[in-house]
Amino acid sequence: QQQVKQSPQSLIVQKGGISIINCAYENTAFDYFPWYQQFPGKGPALLIAIRPDVSEKKEGRFTISFNKSAKQFSLHIMDSQPGDSATYFCAASMRGAQKLVFGQGTRLTINP
Amino acid sequence: DVKVTQSSRYLVKRTGEKVFLECVQDMDHENMFWYRQDPGLGLRLIYFSYDVKMKEKGDIPEGYSVSREKKERFSLILESASTNQTSMYLCASSLYGAPEAFFGQGTRLTVV
Repeated sequence: QQQVKQSPQSLIVQKGGISIINCAYENTAFDYFPWYQQFPGKGPALLIAIRPDVSEKKEGRFTISFNKSAKQFSLHIMDSQPGDSATYFCAASMRGAQKLVFGQGTRLTINP
Repeated sequence: DVKVTQSSRYLVKRTGEKVFLECVQDMDHENMFWYRQDPGLGLRLIYFSYDVKMKEKGDIPEGYSVSREKKERFSLILESASTNQTSMYLCASSLYGAPEAFFGQGTRLTVV
């Protein structure tokens, strides 16, 4: 129940394409869903986050889509660029909880 | 900017050695975390601390211990390093009650 399942494990997209990474969860008590971006040799950094009272959040080329009934959320990267090549982690947290539960990670490669 | 600093980027230790990984944060965060990152397994929580001298086990605490004597510093200890502890170790911190975690740059530990 504490797990967050992320797919795919790796993804290759052409420059200018749309990258889509999916996550699913079981615990309906989760109420905060962030995405972290990690470049090689660096620690993960918060990219964008959503709470379940909205179905979509957009920041620049990055959009989170949230489907509460399906218990799924996804990250969409529009007009993908080589600089977006990184590992992406979804995560979830319960209200009042002090820790995040992370997905398995997706290694995204954008080909020029 | 929040800064989480891990004392070493790379470490090579011998089997059976006692290993100390150090982490310092400069934002007066109550919570500090140690994660382990392995390909395909995502970020797995080893231990976390929500106050000085307080600690809680995460998902994979076996073979590890922690110490938090000061608010800004959180140490991960491998009592007797083994080859299956070869991994990337990530420290993070967050405000109490706030789910956003800030990560250090990671320590890549190799046990030979």
